Amino acid sequence: EVQLVESGGRLVQPGRSLRLSCAASGFTFENFALHWVRQVPGKGLEWVSRISWDSSDIDYADSVKGRFTVSRDNAKKSLYLQMNSLRLEDTALYYCAKDKGFWGFEGMDVWGQGTTVTVSS
Amino acid sequence: EIVLTQSPGTLSLSPGERATLSCRASQAVSTSYLAWYQQKLGQAPRLLIYGASSRATGIPDRFSGSGSGTDFTLTISRLEPEDFALYYCQQYNKSPFTFGPGTKVDIK
Repeated sequence: EVQLVESGGRLVQPGRSLRLSCAASGFTFENFALHWVRQVPGKGLEWVSRISWDSSDIDYADSVKGRFTVSRDNAKKSLYLQMNSLRLEDTALYYCAKDKGFWGFEGMDVWGQGTTVTVSS
Repeated sequence: EIVLTQSPGTLSLSPGERATLSCRASQAVSTSYLAWYQQKLGQAPRLLIYGASSRATGIPDRFSGSGSGTDFTLTISRLEPEDFALYYCQQYNKSPFTFGPGTKVDIK
């Protein structure tokens, strides 16, 4: 079964750091780009970041650029999101999603169930 | 940044009716880089359409996508009870890969 499982979300104070992980199974991990997408409960979807199959091509939303870093470990079939200088507005459910292609330009066809990040003092 | 606008915000229809959802972009999007997702309450989004008109694996043929340039449409030919949900369009032509605000299809 193709699956993505996120972890690492928790309550954290503003200005602190957090690292999210996403473990993949059931597909050839190194052949696909991956994304992070977040959603404030009751609100719409916000794309956060993309990383290509080989980590050579990476993009971020303007709202997280300079604070968040995406990475992947193909040997461990895992995706990561290092989140620094967290703000109240980063509070959301964070999804990892698999792209249909190598570079991240073909649509997100597999999604995890998400991990919740709450930024609050 | 490419801004996507979806209309209507809410579409109230009965099972068996046809649903037409619109997605308009602030600048031209290559048809290869427009997707539609369905999201039900408490669930992750599901890819329905990619490349503006290609159905994702396992998606019934009552779902179809069309359009080009700045205007795209998702059509559900005959609504089934499980189709009442939120629908988002997304462009992945240019970073940041923006989503529209969504259209809710609810039961009339």
